[in-house]
Amino acid sequence: EADIYQTPRYLVIGTGKKITLECSQTMGHDKMYWYQQDPGMELHLIHYSYGVNSTEKGDLSSESTVSRIRTEHFPLTLESARPSHTSQYLCASSGRQGPGGELFFGEGSRLTVL
Amino acid sequence: GQQLNQSPQSMFIQEGEDVSMNCTSSSIFNTWLWYKQDPGEGPVLLIALYKAGELTSNGRLTAQFGITRKDSFLNISASIPSDVGIYFCAGFSIQGAQKLVFGQGTRLTINP
Repeated sequence: EADIYQTPRYLVIGTGKKITLECSQTMGHDKMYWYQQDPGMELHLIHYSYGVNSTEKGDLSSESTVSRIRTEHFPLTLESARPSHTSQYLCASSGRQGPGGELFFGEGSRLTVL
Repeated sequence: GQQLNQSPQSMFIQEGEDVSMNCTSSSIFNTWLWYKQDPGEGPVLLIALYKAGELTSNGRLTAQFGITRKDSFLNISASIPSDVGIYFCAGFSIQGAQKLVFGQGTRLTINP
């Protein structure tokens, strides 16, 4: 099993609040990803990182931001949450060098913005 | 961006039946992955495929990397209640920037 952890698992907040979703992995993986998923729907890549100080936007536009100051840590931040941000956010990592590679997912953070 | 077409979108079967689902793409993929997701959880990797024609099993699950490199299928034999969930195919295209693309998912429901 993969050692990748997300907190919080569930978060209910009011509009306008700043939130940070935490993601940590203990496998030393260079590649980390954030996906957004509505219930029962497909996953959409919103951010990825191939190493420390490297971050890129994914295919789905997102108002969130990410940082990668340490290999094991890849937090996602929303400066001002809105109801449209309500979704499940999934963090993943991969240790394969070069193209491809299996992604291992955390259990997800389900965000509800009122 | 790259797209995967996964079918069927949902399946309703009896316990003990075999299940088959597939994914197709308009572009060539060099990796196919199959995941299962339970409600409220993250996807769990079931099978990874890296070579065209590769056939890999994991218990009652069998997946194949299509010869054309544009498709893959997943079979589940003798389904049991714990097989219920959403199955996603995913893959890395030879084009693009090494980003994993997901299919729309197949929701499997099993009647006891």
